[in-house]
Amino acid sequence: SQTIHQWPATLVQPVGSPLSLECTVEGTSNPNLYWYRQAAGRGLQLLFYSVGIGQISSEVPQNLSASRPQDRQFILSSKKLLLSDSGFYLCAWSPGTGNEKLFFGSGTQLSVL
Amino acid sequence: DAKTTQPPSMDCAEGRAANLPCNHSTISGNEYVYWYRQIHPQGPQYIIHGLKNNETNEMASLIITEDRKSSTLILPHATLRDTAVYYCIAYVAASNTGKLIFGQGTTLQVKP
Repeated sequence: SQTIHQWPATLVQPVGSPLSLECTVEGTSNPNLYWYRQAAGRGLQLLFYSVGIGQISSEVPQNLSASRPQDRQFILSSKKLLLSDSGFYLCAWSPGTGNEKLFFGSGTQLSVL
Repeated sequence: DAKTTQPPSMDCAEGRAANLPCNHSTISGNEYVYWYRQIHPQGPQYIIHGLKNNETNEMASLIITEDRKSSTLILPHATLRDTAVYYCIAYVAASNTGKLIFGQGTTLQVKP
C-alpha cells in the first residue's frame, strides 16, 4: 500500500532563517506531487506541483521554492522566511494517471516569529 | 478548471441526512466533480467523485444534475465526527498535468 511521510510536524523558525520541509511517498512510482499551504482560518492554497523528477510548476509567486530530486521526494524550501510564510503546509500525491484522487500527508505547522 | 461555489457554513442534526450543495455552472464536459473533507489539523480526505452519473460509496452519495451545473454531496446519517470543512472541486483529468485547486469549502457543523 502507498504511504506518504511529511516532517516535521511542527516548526518554529525566526524571520530570515532558511526552511526545508521534506515529503516522501512509498509504494508507488512516478506520482504527481503537490505542496499546499493553509493560513489560519483560510482555505487550501496550491503552491507547487510536480509531474516528474525536476519538473516543478509554481502556482503563485512567493518566497518559497520546491524541488524534486528523486521520483518520490518533494522538498519545499526558503532561503529567508517571512512572517507571512507562517501556516499549515501539506504535501500530497496522486497517481498521475488521469485519476487525480489526492492523498495528503499529516502536515507541518510552521510558525515564523 | 471550472470555479465552484459553496455556502460557507451549514448545520445538520445528528442522525439526519446532510446535503451539501455545490454550484459549478461553467463546468466543461470533461471535468469531474471531486469532494474532499478536512478535519483540522489533518489534511483533506477524499470522499467521492463523479462525471455525469450519480455515485455512491461507503462514505457518501454524489448527485449531479443533468446539466452538470450543480451537485449535492449527501451524508445519509450524519454523525458528530462528520463535522468538517467540505470542499467541492471541478477538475479536468488531463494528460498527466493534473492539479486540484481547493476553494473555501463549506463548514458543516453536526449538532447533537
